[in-house]
Amino acid sequence: NAGVMQNPRHLVRRRGQEARLRCSPMKGHSHVYWYRQLPEEGLKFMVYLQKENIIDESGMPKERFSAEFPKEGPSILRIQQVVRGDSAAYFCASSPLGTGSTDTQYFGPGTRLTVL
Amino acid sequence: AQSVSQHNHHVILSEAASLELGCNYSYGGTVNLFWYVQYPGQHLQLLLKYFSGDPLVKGIKGFEAEFIKSKFSFNLRKPSVQWSDTAEYFCAVRDDKIIFGKGTRLHILP
Repeated sequence: NAGVMQNPRHLVRRRGQEARLRCSPMKGHSHVYWYRQLPEEGLKFMVYLQKENIIDESGMPKERFSAEFPKEGPSILRIQQVVRGDSAAYFCASSPLGTGSTDTQYFGPGTRLTVL
Repeated sequence: AQSVSQHNHHVILSEAASLELGCNYSYGGTVNLFWYVQYPGQHLQLLLKYFSGDPLVKGIKGFEAEFIKSKFSFNLRKPSVQWSDTAEYFCAVRDDKIIFGKGTRLHILP
């Protein structure tokens, strides 16, 4: 059973470009979470999605950031018009059940975004 | 809002030393508590978790943690560390979403 997969592992963008980060959850998991890790900071929750639904986006910046988890295919975190402050490691996690349960989230290897 | 504090940002120990990493959380209700580890260049892995029951939780690789409700603490311990324990350790708490501490970088000297 493959773990959570994220690609690309490293992404370099110039200011103003778009960044698209992909996350494929573990097989059988229908809940996906995105976190951002800034240098010298812990992981900060961004958004929680189920298939075709955004459940909690309280950690998402109000502008330029969006996330989706379509019926088919990976979850996508999209950052439009990137700025230097978006440089961070972005981690995806998945779980078989939702946050109301006691199940565990399994993390992917992360995507390290560098904005030049 | 729920918060998690990890008191030590950097810890350096020699092999065979005993380890205790502090973690305090702010929420007074029912919580789930976790310790995750991130080895250099790797993704986060779950070390151990507490949901209910015995407050002394055993995890992988000889780690354990004790939930002390009165102190809002969930400290991570290992009696004798190894060089391979060099990593970053994150304490986390969940009420409706998981909140992570800022992490503790542990460096073990061979």
